[in-house]
Amino acid sequence: EVQLVESGGGLVQPGGSLRLSCAASGFTFSSYWMSWVRQAPGKGLEWVANIKQDGSEKYYVDSVKGRFTISRDNAKNSLYLQMNSLRAEDTAVYYCARDLAVAGTAYFDYWGQGTLVTVSS
Amino acid sequence: DIQMTQSPSSVSASVGDRVTITCRASQGISSWLAWYQQKPGKAPKLLIYAASSLQSGVPSRFSGSGSGTDFTLTISSLQPEDFATYYCQQANSFPPSTFGQGTKLEIK
Repeated sequence: EVQLVESGGGLVQPGGSLRLSCAASGFTFSSYWMSWVRQAPGKGLEWVANIKQDGSEKYYVDSVKGRFTISRDNAKNSLYLQMNSLRAEDTAVYYCARDLAVAGTAYFDYWGQGTLVTVSS
Repeated sequence: DIQMTQSPSSVSASVGDRVTITCRASQGISSWLAWYQQKPGKAPKLLIYAASSLQSGVPSRFSGSGSGTDFTLTISSLQPEDFATYYCQQANSFPPSTFGQGTKLEIK
């Protein structure tokens, strides 16, 4: 059974940092593109970043470029999101999500349960 | 970035009804469109990808159509478990992939 379990969320002050983790199991993690998608309270979905199987390609939404870094450790079946210079508008539930196909489609067939990041003083 | 606009923003319907939700892209995206269902407090669930391909395990009462800029999600006969919020997502111009604002399907 495919499972994605996020951790690392919490309350952080504006300008602070946080590192999210996503532990994957039940599939060959190293074969899939992976993404982070977020959802502000009561709002819609926003794709944040994704990373290729070997980590050689990474892409970000404009609003987080230069502040967030996506990475992965295939030996540990884990995905990460390092978030620096956090702003109030980064407050959201952050989901990790698996791409539907190894070729990379940007469709997401498995999602974690999400971890809440709250940026507030 | 490509903007995705869903209509309506909310809809009320009864069990057994046929419901259609529309999604319009600000520019052509071929068939690079997905539909997701999200229930309160839960992660989204992929229903349809490539505009009309049914994801494994999704009931056949869900169907998708369209190409270019205009797409529809149809639920042929609403079941109680279908009341949720639905999102479209374009994957043609990536990055970034963008989502519609959501359509909340409520019980009449």
